[in-house]
Amino acid sequence: QVQLQESGPGLVKPSETLSLTCAVSGYSISSGYYWGWIRQPPGKGLEWIGSFYQSGSTYYNPSLKSRVTISVDTSKNQFSLKLSSVTAADTAVYYCARQRGDSRAGFDYWGPGTLVTVSS
Amino acid sequence: QSVLTQPPSVSGAPGQRVTISCTGSSSNIGAGYDVHWYQQLPGTAPKLLIYDNTNRPSGVPDRFSGSKSGTSASLAITGLQAEDEADYYCQSYDSSLRGVFGGGTKLTVL
Repeated sequence: QVQLQESGPGLVKPSETLSLTCAVSGYSISSGYYWGWIRQPPGKGLEWIGSFYQSGSTYYNPSLKSRVTISVDTSKNQFSLKLSSVTAADTAVYYCARQRGDSRAGFDYWGPGTLVTVSS
Repeated sequence: QSVLTQPPSVSGAPGQRVTISCTGSSSNIGAGYDVHWYQQLPGTAPKLLIYDNTNRPSGVPDRFSGSKSGTSASLAITGLQAEDEADYYCQSYDSSLRGVFGGGTKLTVL
C-alpha cells in the first residue's frame, strides 16, 4: 500500500522560505510515476503547485514557477518542496500525491496534508 | 477564477441523481486531455473518484460515473446517500498552465 506523509514547519514568517518534505512508503519513487504537490488555502479550492518524474523532468504552475523548487532524494524515498518569499496568500494545507501516469494523470495516492501558516 | 468552471453548489434528496459539470476550453478539456474527479470529505485529503474521464478506481461504487464531451465533463451520482455530502473537484491538463483544477462543488444531501 502506497503511503505519503508530509512534514515541515507549520508556521513560516513572511518573506521566508517554506520547506516541506514528503516521505513515501510502499513504493519506490525511482520505479516510476509522476509525483506532485497540491495546496488548498483554508476554505478554498485545490491548486496544483508542480510535479516531477524521477528522471528529472519537473513542471511547475506558471503562477508560482519563479518561487518554487521541487527536488527528490531517491536514497530516502522522499521529495521536497521549497517556496520562497512567502506571503499570507501562501497559507494553505499542502498535500503531496502520486500521479497514476504521466504529468496529465490523476492523483491516486495522497498524503493527509499539512497546514502551513504564513505569519509574523 | 479557476480555469475549469464548476457550479459552487448542488443538492439532492437521498436516492436522487445529481450531476456536477466541469467546463473548460480548447486548451484543456477541448484539446482532448483527460478529466479526473475527486471527492473531498471535511478535514480529509481528496480521494480519486474518476480517472481518465470515465474510469473508477477499485472500491469506488458504480453510483459514481463520469463523462466528457467537447470542452466539458460531468460527474453523475445516482442513488444519492448521506455520506456523499462532500466537495467535488475536477482536474485536467492545460497546454499552457499544465495541471489545473476546477473551483470545486459542494454537494448537499437534503
